[in-house]
Amino acid sequence: GNSVTQMEGPVTLSEEAFLTINCTYTATGYPSLFWYVQYPGEGLQLLLKATKADDKGSNKGFEATYRKETTSFHLEKGSVQVSDSAVYFCALIGQAGTALIFGKGTTLSVSS
Amino acid sequence: NAGVTQTPKFQVLKTGQSMTLQCAQDMNHNSMYWYRQDPGMGLRLIYYSASEGTTDKGEVPNGYNVSRLNKREFSLRLESAAPSQTSVYFCASSESKAEANYGYTFGSGTRLTVV
Repeated sequence: GNSVTQMEGPVTLSEEAFLTINCTYTATGYPSLFWYVQYPGEGLQLLLKATKADDKGSNKGFEATYRKETTSFHLEKGSVQVSDSAVYFCALIGQAGTALIFGKGTTLSVSS
Repeated sequence: NAGVTQTPKFQVLKTGQSMTLQCAQDMNHNSMYWYRQDPGMGLRLIYYSASEGTTDKGEVPNGYNVSRLNKREFSLRLESAAPSQTSVYFCASSESKAEANYGYTFGSGTRLTVV
């Protein structure tokens, strides 16, 4: 079945550092890929998405590129801020998908 | 504000008690979902409703029932709560299964503790 694997955290960075959170997936066909963010005490918010191979999703300085050849969708940001501290979830939905399938989440902590 | 509203936000139950978690959306979405979030497990799908009048099991349906009361409301019921159901529960909605590529809108969650 379809699944998502993302790097385990926590990830601890200083402000203005470069961020990468790895995400790989297993799916048949061409799934759509997402990154969601969860701030403390809140629900999940859609951060960015890509619906076909080689698409780049971007939002708030975050980027991720849909790589079909490596089945990956790594999240990157060039310069993180304290306000980026949150839990980040990689997710997919298959072509004939029922619902979003989530990775286990990666906690990011940014200090000033 | 438009979005997904969940009630209650917090609840403590004793083992064996029953309760219903409420969810309502005002975006005229067709599809609605219930997930549970546990440490180190991510979010797992409990039940979903692709459209009004239909419901289907997800990955972890045991111990739960759902009702799609109308297009706006999708409730989750625990008939006899167990400590293993201690979790944070999220409701979400989307235009439809086909339009799920546009992403889901999530509620703010219900934190349930079963003692």
